[in-house]
Amino acid sequence: GNSVTQMEGPVTLSEEAFLTINCTYTATGYPSLFWYVQYPGEGLQLLLKATKADDKGSNKGFEATYRKETTSFHLEKGSVQVSDSAVYFCALNNNYQLIWGAGTKLIIKP
Amino acid sequence: KAGVTQTPRYLIKTRGQQVTLSCSPISGHRSVSWYQQTPGQGLQFLFEYFSETQRNKGNFPGRFSGRQFSNSRSEMNVSTLELGDSALYLCASSLTGQGNVYEQYFGPGTRLTVT
Repeated sequence: GNSVTQMEGPVTLSEEAFLTINCTYTATGYPSLFWYVQYPGEGLQLLLKATKADDKGSNKGFEATYRKETTSFHLEKGSVQVSDSAVYFCALNNNYQLIWGAGTKLIIKP
Repeated sequence: KAGVTQTPRYLIKTRGQQVTLSCSPISGHRSVSWYQQTPGQGLQFLFEYFSETQRNKGNFPGRFSGRQFSNSRSEMNVSTLELGDSALYLCASSLTGQGNVYEQYFGPGTRLTVT
């Protein structure tokens, strides 16, 4: 079946460090892939998306590339800020639903 | 454009009671989905509606039900509440839900506590 696996957290980094959060997926067909972010006490916000192989989604300095050969969609940012502290979810769409990873909590220390 | 709104934001109920949660999608969006979020199980899909028709349903007992109205607003109902139903219930809307893009926008959620 379809599934999404994310690296476990929490991930703790210092401000201005480079960020990678790994996401791999198992899917039939060619789903779209998404990264969502959830700040404390809030709902989910769409961070970026990619709809086909080799697409790169980007937003607010975050990037992720849809890699079909490695079934991955890793999230990266060159220089993180304290305000990036949140929980990040990788997801794919299948049959009118999003299938989610477990989420990765990111903590950025000043 | 106003975002997805959910009411109420917080709710406390007793075991055995029932509850109805409401969701108003972004104007023009016709697809509404519901998810349950808990620390133990993470995000789990409940159901999705498009033009008043349920197109997909997750693996939840029949106590969980939903509907969508002609103006795309949606409600979900949980009957005979159990302690394990305590969760954040998230509603999301999408423009059409067609094709493989299916970009969803989420509301702030309703925090349900069952005592």
